[in-house]
This record gives sequence, C-alpha cells and structure tokens, in this order.
Amino acid sequence: GIQVEQSPPDLILQEGANSTLRCNFSDSVNNLQWFHQNPWGQLINLFYIPSGTKQNGRLSATTVATERYSLLYISSSQTTDSGVYFCAAYQGGKLIFGQGTELSVKP
Amino acid sequence: NAGVTQTPKFQVLKTGQSMTLQCAQDMNHNSMYWYRQDPGMGLRLIYYSASEGTTDKGEVPNGYNVSRLNKREFSLRLESAAPSQTSVYFCASSVPGTSYEQYFGPGTRLTVT
Repeated sequence: GIQVEQSPPDLILQEGANSTLRCNFSDSVNNLQWFHQNPWGQLINLFYIPSGTKQNGRLSATTVATERYSLLYISSSQTTDSGVYFCAAYQGGKLIFGQGTELSVKP
Repeated sequence: NAGVTQTPKFQVLKTGQSMTLQCAQDMNHNSMYWYRQDPGMGLRLIYYSASEGTTDKGEVPNGYNVSRLNKREFSLRLESAAPSQTSVYFCASSVPGTSYEQYFGPGTRLTVT
C-alpha cells in the first residue's frame, strides 16, 4: 500500500518564525489532507489539497501530485500553532496517515 | 451542526470486558470511518463504511466489530477488550461525491487494564 512520510519529525520554533513541513507519498493519490492535532488531542482540518496551492491566513499548502509531495507553510508562528501536524493521503477508499511533525512554538 | 460526535469521551475497561463506542454525524455524509491512534503515531484505519449497509476492514480490524446503524450512526464494538487495545479512537465521516475530505470527531480515550 501507499507510504506517507513526513519530515521533520520534530520542530522547535521561536514565536514569529516561519517553517515548512514536508509530506512525501509513494504512489498517486486521489486526495491529500493536512490536519493539526492540538495539545488537547482534537484533529482540525487545515487543508484538503489533492493538487495546487491554497492559503488560509498564516498557513498555506502546496501539493505537487506528479512529484508526490506536499508542503505546509506556517508563517509568523504563534504559540497556539503548537501540536502535531499530520498529512494523510487517500487511496483506494482509505486515508493513510503519516507519522506527524510535532511542532513546539516558544514565546 | 454538531459535526461528528463520539461517546463516551473516556472509558476504563478490565481485560475481557466488552463495550461499544458510539459515533454520529449530522452532515449527511455517506461514508464513515473508525481509526485508532497510539502514542507517537498517526491514525490507523480499523473499519470503514462507504455507505449505509456496507462495512469493510481497514488496516487493523482484529478484535473489533462495527455496525452501520443508519446513515448517521456508526458504532465500534470491542467484544473482549485486551490491553493492546488501549488507545484513542477517532470516528470520521467524509463528504459525499468524489472529494473524500474527512472530518473527525473529538475522540474516545480508552484504557484497558
């Protein structure tokens, strides 16, 4: 089945810094989603982005489906951005998650 | 809309006990899913239901059964709980049609002693 790999596994930022998280997937996919799991465990939908670029406030995402990767950009990070960021690729009726990137934003 | 709701939020079971986790969605989604999340890991699919009346196994189905009661509700049953089933369980539903975008409930934290 499809493999989804995220990097880096951990990231520590100072408030106000920018960051890029990467998601590689091993096969073509119908859908790719980015989620933020906050420190209380809640999974929040960030982007549904099978291809192209989308922006939502300080966050943006780009998926290059032909090269099998997606990037999540966080600009001007805030402490509330802390948590784990997951990408998940949809193939054959199933959403396959990566292992996540744990982000900690320090004040 | 409440979105995807799950009950209970927390549960502690003894080995061998049974229980049912409940999930409901009010977004008129056709497909529903059950996942588990173990510490330091992403979510893994247990079972899913593409539409009312159908269920299929995911990546880790052993030890679980599911019921798609109607379009809104999808339950997960542990017949004889084991410590290896200690986990956080998430239910999700997806948008009808071809977009496949999934929305998640708040999770149930289950401990089996």
